[in-house]
Amino acid sequence: RKEVEQDPGPFNVPEGATVAFNCTYSNSASQSFFWYRQDCRKEPKLLMSVYSSGNEDGRFTAQLNRASQYISLLIRDSKLSDSATYLCVVTQTGANNLFFGTGTRLTVIP
Amino acid sequence: NAGVTQTPKFRVLKTGQSMTLLCAQDMNHEYMYWYRQDPGMGLRLIHYSVGEGTTAKGEVPDGYNVSRLKKQNFLLGLESAAPSQTSVYFCASSPDRRPNQPQHFGDGTRLSIL
Repeated sequence: RKEVEQDPGPFNVPEGATVAFNCTYSNSASQSFFWYRQDCRKEPKLLMSVYSSGNEDGRFTAQLNRASQYISLLIRDSKLSDSATYLCVVTQTGANNLFFGTGTRLTVIP
Repeated sequence: NAGVTQTPKFRVLKTGQSMTLLCAQDMNHEYMYWYRQDPGMGLRLIHYSVGEGTTAKGEVPDGYNVSRLKKQNFLLGLESAAPSQTSVYFCASSPDRRPNQPQHFGDGTRLSIL
């Protein structure tokens, strides 16, 4: 079983739409959670950390459900520039690396 | 501020050839990592280093070696390249091992083994 699983998509949404991605993780000892964004043929870049109480950064809202072991990312008022692959990332207690999901591809259509 | 720099950006090798990928960071980070990214697989950790002079194996270390002789540099070596090592390689660094520390990535090396 993969450490982190995501729906690969693709999600094709019109500009202005709201879109949500979910991600599940297998290890209940997972400690920290992030969403990274990766543009085509580019490196991953941190989008936002995910805190237990949920957090918001402009049009982006991240939530964590430890009981069900899933993380979500909500994007409101989608822009063309939001088109990218969104990677769910988890760290585990005592581990020295990040565990990456395979990513969910989003395309925002004019 | 350059951040994390990888060289080369592209390379084509023949099976059996050797090469070294260089990663350099100017943020004085303790931790450095090498990942490979393949379609449908996500990023997988090859090797990592928690400080100058130390290295450790990640999830997929076979066929690779690494060295961290200087804090700012992390080298990934392929002794005898195989077609299965065709991939995009990313180097990353982070300040320390605190779990809330994100990683900073280089812009990748695209490696093809023929």
